[in-house]
Amino acid sequence: GDSVTQMEGPVTLSEEAFLTINCTYTATGYPSLFWYVQYPGEGLQLLLKATKADDKGSNKGFEATYRKETTSFHLEKGSVQVSDSAVYFCALSGTSGSRLTFGEGTQLTVNP
Amino acid sequence: DAGITQSPRHKVTETGTPVTLRCHQTENHRYMYWYRQDPGHGLRLIHYSYGVKDTDKGEVSDGYSVSRSKTEDFLLTLESATSSQTSVYFCAISREGTDTQYFGPGTRLTVL
Repeated sequence: GDSVTQMEGPVTLSEEAFLTINCTYTATGYPSLFWYVQYPGEGLQLLLKATKADDKGSNKGFEATYRKETTSFHLEKGSVQVSDSAVYFCALSGTSGSRLTFGEGTQLTVNP
Repeated sequence: DAGITQSPRHKVTETGTPVTLRCHQTENHRYMYWYRQDPGHGLRLIHYSYGVKDTDKGEVSDGYSVSRSKTEDFLLTLESATSSQTSVYFCAISREGTDTQYFGPGTRLTVL
C-alpha cells in the first residue's frame, strides 16, 4: 500500500538558517503530493502541493519539487523564521483519491 | 478557510462511556473525513463519507462508527470508549474534483 516516510525529528535551527525536511514515498501510479503545517494548538493547514512529476509547489518561501525518479518531495526554505516553528507533515493522495496517507510529522523549532 | 467546525474541542471521559464528536461544514462539500493524530503515526484515516448516508471505513476504523444524515454534519461515535482512543481527532473536507483536503481545528479526547 501507499506509505510516506519523513526524516526523523525534532529539528532545531537558528533564525535565517536553511531548512530541508526530507520526504520519500511509496505509491502506485501518480499520486498528488502535499505538505501540511500544524501550528501549536491548531489544525493542519495546506502549505503546498504538486500533482505531477517535476512540478514545484511553493508558498510562503517554502518549496518542494515532485521527483518521481527518486520518489521524493523534500521541503526546503532558504531562511527560516521563528514563526516557522511548527510540525510539518508530508502526505500523498493515492489513485483512489479518497484518502491522504501521512508521514509521521517533523517538529521544527527555530530559535532567535 | 473551508468553514469547518468541530465540537466539542476538548473532552475528558471515562472508559466504557459512549462519545460522539461532531464535524460541521458550511459549504456543502460532498466528501468528509475523520482522522486521528497520534505521536509517531501522523494522521490516520478512521472513516470517510462521499455523500449523505454513504460512508466507508479507513485504516483504523475498529471501535468507531460514523453517520451522515445531512450534508453539513459528519458524526464520529465511540460506542464504548477505551484508553487507546485517547487522541486528537480531525475532520476534513475535500472539494469536488480535487484531492486536496482542508482540516478542522480538532477535538482533543482523553479517555481515563
